[in-house]
Amino acid sequence: KAGVTQTPRYLIKTRGQQVTLSCSPISGHRSVSWYQQTPGQGLQFLFEYFSETQRNKGNFPGRFSGRQFSNSRSEMNVSTLELGDSALYLCASSLEGQDQETQYFGPGTRLLVL
Amino acid sequence: AQTVTQSQPEMSVQEAETVTLSCTYDTSESDYYLFWYKQPPSRQMILVIRQEAYKQQNATENRFSVNFQKAAKSFSLKISDSQLGDAAMYFCAYRLLTGTASKLTFGTGTRLQVTL
Repeated sequence: KAGVTQTPRYLIKTRGQQVTLSCSPISGHRSVSWYQQTPGQGLQFLFEYFSETQRNKGNFPGRFSGRQFSNSRSEMNVSTLELGDSALYLCASSLEGQDQETQYFGPGTRLLVL
Repeated sequence: AQTVTQSQPEMSVQEAETVTLSCTYDTSESDYYLFWYKQPPSRQMILVIRQEAYKQQNATENRFSVNFQKAAKSFSLKISDSQLGDAAMYFCAYRLLTGTASKLTFGTGTRLQVTL
């Protein structure tokens, strides 16, 4: 079974631009979560989607948004990029029901904001 | 709020030796899950081992085992017969499955170096 995939793997943007990152979960997984990883703040939870609904949200400004499609694929969008948004963005998926507690991660998207 | 603490920023172990990474957490809940994830230089986050809080038996996965002390809120990872491929950042994580608390909360990580 294929793992979690994320596209693109690398991105370079300039301040003020917006960016969209994509995540395809493991087949059969309906929950998708997003995390931001930076050297200064470590791993921080952004949001979680299940069945196209945002189920949980971290403490990030409204510039960070996401959505989930009927096939469970998810996108996150960051508008009006700031230098501090440079980070590794990780997506994770999990089952509902048995083994639902375990999140499996994708390879991440490395975003650099200049 | 739940917190996870990893007090060892870096550890070093010789190949074939055993090393233990420490993790403590703070929670008022009784039913939760604990994980160790490994992040090699590729940055891919890989699940190493998981522990259900309601299970008294410590989890094991081949060369990896945990020492789960629920009362002390301690969850250490033991790596036996260390291999060069074990070199990575190791993150301890905590998760509830209820409502808005269903996110993973991570520690700051321990960088493990494996030497010949």
